[in-house]
Amino acid sequence: AQKVTQAQTEISVVEKEDVTLDCVYETRDTTYYLFWYKQPPSGELVFLIRRNSFDEQNEISGRYSWNFQKSTSSFNFTITASQVVDSAVYFCALGFSGSARQLTFGSGTQLTVLP
Amino acid sequence: GAVVSQHPSRVICKSGTSVKIECRSLDFQATTMFWYRQFPKQSLMLMATSNEGSKATYEQGVEKDKFLINHASLTLSTLTVTSAHPEDSSFYICSASPGRTGNTEAFFGQGTRLTVV
Repeated sequence: AQKVTQAQTEISVVEKEDVTLDCVYETRDTTYYLFWYKQPPSGELVFLIRRNSFDEQNEISGRYSWNFQKSTSSFNFTITASQVVDSAVYFCALGFSGSARQLTFGSGTQLTVLP
Repeated sequence: GAVVSQHPSRVICKSGTSVKIECRSLDFQATTMFWYRQFPKQSLMLMATSNEGSKATYEQGVEKDKFLINHASLTLSTLTVTSAHPEDSSFYICSASPGRTGNTEAFFGQGTRLTVV
């Protein structure tokens, strides 16, 4: 069975603070794909990153960084120097049965960045 | 590239009527499309997988007679909510994949917010 857990339902930070969104996953597949998406109030899903299970290198993209640790089945997302525009719901997702196309989503974390 | 367009973005319909939602891949051919449903403040749940030219595969608990899916061409899949009721009000979002292999990811449309009154 596959499962993605985002234990943080809501997080509120003040602008310029760093914030880490946690994601823990469960899968029996040896090859799998992990994703992070941002969902602003308008509803569309904005793709942030895709990570393959065989690539444990951490990634940094501007103020965003991701920490992938297979040993703890975690794929955490950190926003450095948060901005009000970062306010959104963030979803972690796992490709179903080794696929990158069909996704199991976590419950999402509502991030609010206060000015 | 990899643009998926969903239409309409918002729709309000009367209880008992049917509503059709379109999902189009604009710059690639989508052999497979996926339909997800999201209730307010909840996660996205996969409803069904549609492959071009064949019947859709529905997830457990999804009524295939209520949610009709047609994937008649490589660029268009439609979801028809038949005899809609207020409990069908939700955010529906599709994704489309250009490939058949497992490592080919899918791209999401903008979503459709359905309100049944």
